[in-house]
Parts: sequence; C-alpha cells; structure tokens
Amino acid sequence: EVQLVQSGAEVKKPGESLKISCKGSGYSFTSHWIGWVRQMPGKGLEWMGFIYPGDSDTRYSPSFQGQVTISADKSIRTAYLQWSSLKASDTAMYYCARRGEVAGLYYFDYWGQGTLVTVSS
Amino acid sequence: SSELTQDPAVSVALGRTVRITCQGDSLRNYYASWYQQKPGQAPVLVIYGKSIRPSGIPDRFSGSSSGNTASLTITGAQAEDEADYYCNSRDNSGNHLGVFGTGTKVTVL
Repeated sequence: EVQLVQSGAEVKKPGESLKISCKGSGYSFTSHWIGWVRQMPGKGLEWMGFIYPGDSDTRYSPSFQGQVTISADKSIRTAYLQWSSLKASDTAMYYCARRGEVAGLYYFDYWGQGTLVTVSS
Repeated sequence: SSELTQDPAVSVALGRTVRITCQGDSLRNYYASWYQQKPGQAPVLVIYGKSIRPSGIPDRFSGSSSGNTASLTITGAQAEDEADYYCNSRDNSGNHLGVFGTGTKVTVL
C-alpha cells in the first residue's frame, strides 16, 4: 500500500528555521516526483515545487523560489520542505503528494495527511 | 500564462448533474487532473488524463476537455460529493512546473 506520512504539527516564532518531512512507503521512492502544496487558512491549494528523489532534480514555482528549500534523502525514503527564517505569512497546512506514474500525464495520486505550521510571536 | 480559473461556487440538487469548469492557456496542451477536498481532509484525486478515475472513485465522476477549458462532471450528485474541487495541470513555462486552479465549492441541495 502506497503511503506518504508527514511529520507532526509545528508552532514556531517568526525568524526561526523549520524542516518538515514526508516519508514514502509501498512504492519505488526514487521513481516518482514528490511535490509540496501549501494551503493557507480558508484558502485554495498552491503548487510550491517538487523533487525527483532518484537524482534530486528540483523545480520551484516562481512564487516560492528562494523562500523554501525542497530536498530528499532517498536512503530513508523521505522528502523535506524547509525554511531558514519563518514569517507569520508561512502559517498554513502543507501537503506532500506523489506524482502519478502514467507518462505524459500530470497528477498527484497519493497525498500525505498534511503538516500544520503555525508561525506566531 | 500559468493561471487556472474556476468558478468560486456552484450548487446542485441531490441526484442532478453539475459541471465544474477550469480555464487556462496550458489546458490547450495538457490534461487537467481534478481533486476533491472535504473540510479538514487532504485532497483526493478523482480524475486524471482524458477521464481516468482512480480505483474507488465512483463512475458518476467524469472529465472532459475542449480548447482552453477542462471540465469535471458529477452525474447524479450525492450528498457526500459536497466539497471543494480543484483542477491541476502543468503550466506552459517549459520548466515542468505545475499550477492549481482557484477552486470551486460544490453544494448539494
């Protein structure tokens, strides 16, 4: 069974750093892109970027380039999303999702449960 | 353009048919995928490709596409279909990036 399990909720202060994780199981971790999606309170889904764990090829949405870092450790089947200096506006639910395997099609077939990040002084 | 635009809200009577649309330039070149999100839950894939349903998705969900518009149709809407729906596709940047639609709240009356 394919599963993506994310790390738990975080409460941080502005200016602090943070790294959240997404562990994949039940499939070939190195053969599927893993994406990160932001959902701010009461708002829609935003595509942040994704990584191919097989070779660490990483792509960012222009809106998030330079604001976050996406990485992966294939030895432990885990993808990461990190911030070096959080802002209150980073408060959101963050989802990881696996890109599906049908060539030429663009879709996320499995999703993590989400990690709620709250940034408040 | 990398934007996908959806109507903010639609309503449908129980058992009737509703169509949700998604408009964007990239849809002329790429299929949309569709996601259902209920309050407090992660999104769930309901349609991808031409009109492919993942295992477990009822056949009342179908997809179609014409020009710059993709559509998700629910034929015989059920109370449990009340949710937010988002489209998603590649953008036209050539950099393999993605974009989500603005989302549609579906209310089943």
